[in-house]
Amino acid sequence: GAGVSQSPSNKVTEKGKDVELRCDPISGHTALYWYRQSLGQGLEFLIYFQGNSAPDKSGLPSDRFSAERTGGSVSTLTIQRTQQEDSAVYLCASSSQWGLNYEQYFGPGTRLTVT
Amino acid sequence: DAKTTQPTSMDCAEGRAANLPCNHSTISGNEYVYWYRQIHSQGPQYIIHGLKNNETNEMASLIITEDRKSSTLILPHATLRDTAVYYCIVRVEAGNTGKLIFGQGTTLQVKP
Repeated sequence: GAGVSQSPSNKVTEKGKDVELRCDPISGHTALYWYRQSLGQGLEFLIYFQGNSAPDKSGLPSDRFSAERTGGSVSTLTIQRTQQEDSAVYLCASSSQWGLNYEQYFGPGTRLTVT
Repeated sequence: DAKTTQPTSMDCAEGRAANLPCNHSTISGNEYVYWYRQIHSQGPQYIIHGLKNNETNEMASLIITEDRKSSTLILPHATLRDTAVYYCIVRVEAGNTGKLIFGQGTTLQVKP
């Protein structure tokens, strides 16, 4: 079956512009996670959704970052007024339930480059 | 959550067993050991997890010491496609959202 998909696969933007990154989780998966991976920081957790609500936003690095999820499915991560330090690969993962006993399936990521 | 220590890199000959160690000396009784791997330019992939007992699946085996302070992931017959960064993660189960906290991992290079 279809896995987690993300779009775009690559995004180049100018400093100060806003960007939206999209994640389509596996159908029926209630839990959705955003992570980012940059050279200096490794893989970092950003935000977690259970259904449409986000009980854990502790990893969002600043108020320029926000995310929403609609219909318990698609999620969008928005970065406002992008900065060069936002350059990273943004990864989305979904699992059938919350909690660690449920395998997380990762998408291929969106590579964001801020010039 | 308990912190993990892994070697930065390891080599393995193709067809041989790859044994990847992980130290988690501060692990608590209710914390699980998870392994994920990340092949270049792909998202991480779940491999295996365990609490106390050794575990085996189609991908790998997980050996956890009796005191649970360390574990070893075993890929029984490594192939070139197993070249990846391997992450050992320790996390409590109950009341957890499931978010994964990744360390630096071990870069495994399988050589022909």
